[in-house]
Amino acid sequence: AQKVTQAQTEISVVEKEDVTLDCVYETRDTTYYLFWYKQPPSGELVFLIRRNSFDEQNEISGRYSWNFQKSTSSFNFTITASQVVDSAVYFCALSSYNTDKLIFGTGTRLQVFP
Amino acid sequence: DTGVSQDPRHKITKRGQNVTFRCDPISEHNRLYWYRQTLGQGPEFLTYFQNEAQLEKSRLLSDRFSAERPKGSFSTLEIQRTEQGDSAMYLCASSHLDRNTGELFFGEGSRLTVL
Repeated sequence: AQKVTQAQTEISVVEKEDVTLDCVYETRDTTYYLFWYKQPPSGELVFLIRRNSFDEQNEISGRYSWNFQKSTSSFNFTITASQVVDSAVYFCALSSYNTDKLIFGTGTRLQVFP
Repeated sequence: DTGVSQDPRHKITKRGQNVTFRCDPISEHNRLYWYRQTLGQGPEFLTYFQNEAQLEKSRLLSDRFSAERPKGSFSTLEIQRTEQGDSAMYLCASSHLDRNTGELFFGEGSRLTVL
């Protein structure tokens, strides 16, 4: 069975702090994809990144970076120098290689205070 | 606006009534998905279509739920004899099979409240 665990329910930081959102996954597939989505208060889920299970290179995009470690089944997301606009619920998700069906975690609500 | 649109955005109904939600995906997208999200939870997969064919249905989808995508464009999700447990946000998403980015484009959802 596939499962995604986001143990942090809610995180509060002050602007400009760095923050890391944890994601641990379970799957029996040898090939799979991992995702992060952002859900701002408007409710529309916004795609942030997809990572293939064969690619363990860390990725950086502006203030965002992702650390994929297959050995610990983790795919953590770090926001550097957080901003108020980063306030949202962030979801980690998993899919098998041959489907777009996503298995989501329960999400982490990030609040960034000015 | 060329994103995924859902209608209505909010629906309040009494238990036992039928409701229908509509989703208009991004026009060139051939895959369309329905998810359900309850408060404090992540979205849960319900069903998906490739063009007009419904390829997979979750076991969460009881017999009271039916989804269609008659011409491979817009889709409808109908819930018959609604129950209070059906109260949730119903999310629609679309993607293009051949673009292989893995990105799903989500609409803003249709919130259902069953009294």
